[in-house]
Amino acid sequence: EAGVAQSPRYKIIEKRQSVAFWCNPISGHATLYWYQQILGQGPKLLIQFQNNGVVDDSQLPKDRFSAERLKGVDSTLKIQPAKLEDSAVYLCASSSLRRVKYEQYFGPGTRLTVT
Amino acid sequence: GDSVTQMEGPVTLSEEAFLTINCTYTATGYPSLFWYVQYPGEGLQLLLKATKADDKGSNKGFEATYRKETTSFHLEKGSVQVSDSAVYFCALRTNTGKLIFGQGTTLQVKP
Repeated sequence: EAGVAQSPRYKIIEKRQSVAFWCNPISGHATLYWYQQILGQGPKLLIQFQNNGVVDDSQLPKDRFSAERLKGVDSTLKIQPAKLEDSAVYLCASSSLRRVKYEQYFGPGTRLTVT
Repeated sequence: GDSVTQMEGPVTLSEEAFLTINCTYTATGYPSLFWYVQYPGEGLQLLLKATKADDKGSNKGFEATYRKETTSFHLEKGSVQVSDSAVYFCALRTNTGKLIFGQGTTLQVKP
């Protein structure tokens, strides 16, 4: 079974630029999560999708971050415009509603550096 | 709101030493509890889990017991190896599936 795929793995941008990250979850997983992991901290949930719908986006800075999950499969997280404090690793995870409900599998992450 | 607190790191041990990393949580209801590990340059991996009070999760020689009375889920290993050097995260899962993580504890094992 293929794992969660993310791209790019690394991205360096200047502040006020925009950036997008892509995630392909494990096949058949209905729930998809985006977490932000700032250096030295634990991951923090930004947004959770179940199929196409948003379950939780309470910690997503909506003035600059947006996310979508088209057709309930792949997802894109966008930052526009980026700030220095957005430098972090962005982790995507997915889970099934059937087998072991909510057991999350993480992708390798995208490391974003904002200069 | 729900939260997880881990002991501060880094923790430095000699090979074959006993390891304890403390974790306590605050939550409404009875969340599932997890330990995740992040090896250098790699992604987050599930190490072990417990879904109800008094459950013991175990994997690769690591153990943790879900203690409802002390709201704790301490990670232990009897004899650490250099290959156990990593960052360890304690986490709880809410009833909507969201994971709430502690800040992480870095373990360095010296030969």
